Amino acid sequence: QSVLTQPPSVSAAPGQKVTISCSGSSSNIGNNYVSWYQHLPGTAPKLLIYDNDKRPSGIPDRFSGSKSGTSATLGITGLQTGDEADYYCGTWDSSLNPGGVFGTGTKVTVL
Amino acid sequence: EVQLVESGGGLVQPGGSLRLSCAASGFTFSNYYMSWVRQAPGKGLEWVANIKQDASEKFYMDSVKGRFTISRDDASNSLYLQMNSLRAEDTAVYYCARDIFWRAAAEASYTYYYYIDVWGKGTTVTVSS
Repeated sequence: QSVLTQPPSVSAAPGQKVTISCSGSSSNIGNNYVSWYQHLPGTAPKLLIYDNDKRPSGIPDRFSGSKSGTSATLGITGLQTGDEADYYCGTWDSSLNPGGVFGTGTKVTVL
Repeated sequence: EVQLVESGGGLVQPGGSLRLSCAASGFTFSNYYMSWVRQAPGKGLEWVANIKQDASEKFYMDSVKGRFTISRDDASNSLYLQMNSLRAEDTAVYYCARDIFWRAAAEASYTYYYYIDVWGKGTTVTVSS
């Protein structure tokens, strides 16, 4: 059971903007850095954002990340049909049983 | 080219065992923490376990502790996941992954920097009678 909560789905028309929230606690998002991943069915997940707001090389600046307190947000502007995928936040949970954690996942639909 | 290739998945009966392997290439394997992540049918990504560069530190998710063992062989650039006492709920695609993982001292605790920058394409494990 995931300790990071995301909305099940978000949608928007091509060219529009969507934001995806990721809610956690002080043992994970509140004290550690957040990453975001894009996952298309049948493929390997792809890193979009790391260290809360940094983009790996090759990831367009249409993708952005931010963190405030125990929540994080992924923004996608200029939505494209190719952005239709599942998106997950991730971080380290430094509780009594430390380990990596992912969010519940959000399906992005381009209308 | 940086690459991770999983193998060893298949159909196994409940209570059975399976050993997954991951062959790494294109980078200095011994310099990185490595992880296993899984995705059950119709479900989200679930972190399973990871292992430090020298194997001196291993972390596991609660539901696999005592049943799964993560290991590595730096000489052959390989990561492994030994899975015992398998259950139907372990049915999933298992991904091998390269971690970026370090911590910085912060007041009374640590701040962890953790993300996965390279993923394999996965191997499917089905636990069923």
